[in-house]
Amino acid sequence: QLQLQESGPGLVKPSETLSLTCTVSGGFVWSSSYYWGWIRQPPGKGLEWIGSIYYSGSTYHNPSLKSRLTMSVETSKNQFSLKLSSVTAADTAVYYCARHPHPGTFDIWGQGTMVTVSS
Amino acid sequence: QSALTQPASVSGPPGQSITISCTGTNSDVGTYNLVSWYQQHPDKAPKLMIYEATKRPSGVSNRFSGSKSGNTASLTISGLQAEDEADYYCCSYAGDTTYVFGTGTKVTVL
Repeated sequence: QLQLQESGPGLVKPSETLSLTCTVSGGFVWSSSYYWGWIRQPPGKGLEWIGSIYYSGSTYHNPSLKSRLTMSVETSKNQFSLKLSSVTAADTAVYYCARHPHPGTFDIWGQGTMVTVSS
Repeated sequence: QSALTQPASVSGPPGQSITISCTGTNSDVGTYNLVSWYQQHPDKAPKLMIYEATKRPSGVSNRFSGSKSGNTASLTISGLQAEDEADYYCCSYAGDTTYVFGTGTKVTVL
């Protein structure tokens, strides 16, 4: 059974770069059938799609975040990663990774990791 | 890219049916059948309940059903149960390789 697990610092200083990794188990990040996405949820608020990446490195971004967003995939470690630069308090959120066909549905989610932006 | 519009809250007594709407535009819900619905209990990850507007994943109760008409998708929960109390989000493919989520609806079982 495929599982996703997010990891990374829980606290990031303003203006710095937020870095998260999602580890895939029970399956392979290099599956040709799926993309791997990032979604976030600020405290008490709704879900926001951040972006998605294919194992080949092809990426799709939320236009509102594109200029600050970098995504990558490391097939040897069965992981994919997110970097969000120049963070502010508005980037404080629970960050989820998820699998989806493209175009399609986010069918399997990680448990989420809380990231707080504060000095 | 604006969030899809959902009612902030919907409630009903046990056993009743409720419907949550999700209104988008011709650029997302109105054009693509790629609407999905997620259930989220407090401090938990979202769980897929409906995909491609009307399809139910294996393991999801048949009390949950989805529909779509024009720019509006809907999720119906029949025979409301205490465990259905949660937040519900819709999501649609919005073209140009983007996705948009709904504003979320809190379901309360009275």
